[in-house]
Amino acid sequence: AQSVSQHNHHVILSEAASLELGCNYSYGGTVNLFWYVQYPGQHLQLLLKYFSGDPLVKGIKGFEAEFIKSKFSFNLRKPSVQWSDTAEYFCAVLKTSYDKVIFGPGTSLSVIP
Amino acid sequence: ETGVTQSPTHLIKTRGQQVTLRCSSQSGHNTVSWYQQALGQGPQFIFQYYREEENGRGNFPPRFSGLQFPNYSSELNVNALELDDSALYLCASSVDLYEQYFGPGTRLTVT
Repeated sequence: AQSVSQHNHHVILSEAASLELGCNYSYGGTVNLFWYVQYPGQHLQLLLKYFSGDPLVKGIKGFEAEFIKSKFSFNLRKPSVQWSDTAEYFCAVLKTSYDKVIFGPGTSLSVIP
Repeated sequence: ETGVTQSPTHLIKTRGQQVTLRCSSQSGHNTVSWYQQALGQGPQFIFQYYREEENGRGNFPPRFSGLQFPNYSSELNVNALELDDSALYLCASSVDLYEQYFGPGTRLTVT
């Protein structure tokens, strides 16, 4: 069965620290990959997405993610986090436009001022 | 804000009862997907509607059913509620699954 795993359940960082959140998926075919973010009290929203082409994808608010096909990974990075990045982060995978989007369990990020 | 609205915001039901949750899609979107998000977990896909037809379903029993209306708004119905149905229910509207816009969710508590 297709699954998505995220390496850390909860990450705590100080402001200005670098961030890397791990994501691995199990499906071996062509995939579309997403990172979603859920800020406290807000809707789930799209941070960035990968469909094809350059494996390094840039998203909103200074986030980027790298697709490494050989490792079935799509890790999220940010060079310097801010307190406002405190949120729940979800990695997600879509096989085709008529399949379902499968979400990982999420990583809770707390940034300490 | 995404333009996707859900009602009600919170709901408390008793085991065995039935519940209907509603979702209003963003303008121009013809696809609605429903997800269940249990506490501390990622959203789990329930089903998807495209132009009033169900065209995808996750591992949920038949007591989870839905509808999509001509204006692309949608309902999620759950019969014979169980305690494990307590969760945040999210709907997402889109033109396709490549960019979904999520609503704020309905928090369902089953006692």
